[in-house]
Amino acid sequence: DAGVIQSPRHEVTEMGQEVTLRCKPISGHNSLFWYRQTMMRGLELLIYFNNNVPIDDSGMPEDRFSAKMPNASFSTLKIQPSEPRDSAVYFCASSSRRGGLTDTQYFGPGTRLTVL
Amino acid sequence: KQEVTQIPAALSVPEGENLVLNCSFTDSAIYNLQWFRQDPGKGLTSLLLIQSSQREQTSGRLNASLDKSSGRSTLYIAASQPGDSATYLCAVGQGGSQGNLIFGKGTKLSVKP
Repeated sequence: DAGVIQSPRHEVTEMGQEVTLRCKPISGHNSLFWYRQTMMRGLELLIYFNNNVPIDDSGMPEDRFSAKMPNASFSTLKIQPSEPRDSAVYFCASSSRRGGLTDTQYFGPGTRLTVL
Repeated sequence: KQEVTQIPAALSVPEGENLVLNCSFTDSAIYNLQWFRQDPGKGLTSLLLIQSSQREQTSGRLNASLDKSSGRSTLYIAASQPGDSATYLCAVGQGGSQGNLIFGKGTKLSVKP
């Protein structure tokens, strides 16, 4: 298995532009997570999907952020408009969820976003 | 609100030493606890997962313990090697309708040859 795939690996954009981050989870996993990592705040959950349905989006910072999971093999995280404070590494992770318990989470390599 | 703390924030040891990394959490109602390794500029690699009903897990030179009642977990690394140098993150798993992990800020380990 190729593991969790994220694209792009690096993104540099100017303030006000739209940014779309992409994630392909491990085949067969039914839970998908988007995290953001910064030096100041560490790793924080943004949103969590189970069976393609958003379960918890309380970590999404504001309306500028949106996430979709149209099918079991693809998810996007969109920021519109982007701001310099959105600069961070964004990770996608996937896992299996059985009987209310979540198994090991497997992380992608991350997308390093820089907003100028 | 669950909070996860890792002490120390950084640790430097000579090669061959046995060491312990600490993790504490404020709410003992967890479903599992996971230890990760993160190399600079890379993603996270899962090392060990301990379910709430378990007390420890072992993988090679790594042993992780869990004491839910006291809100603590330790990661023991035996005979440390320079290749073990990385940041080690502890994450507490929440259950029920949730499935996300709450992360500590990590311990940056440096093993000197």
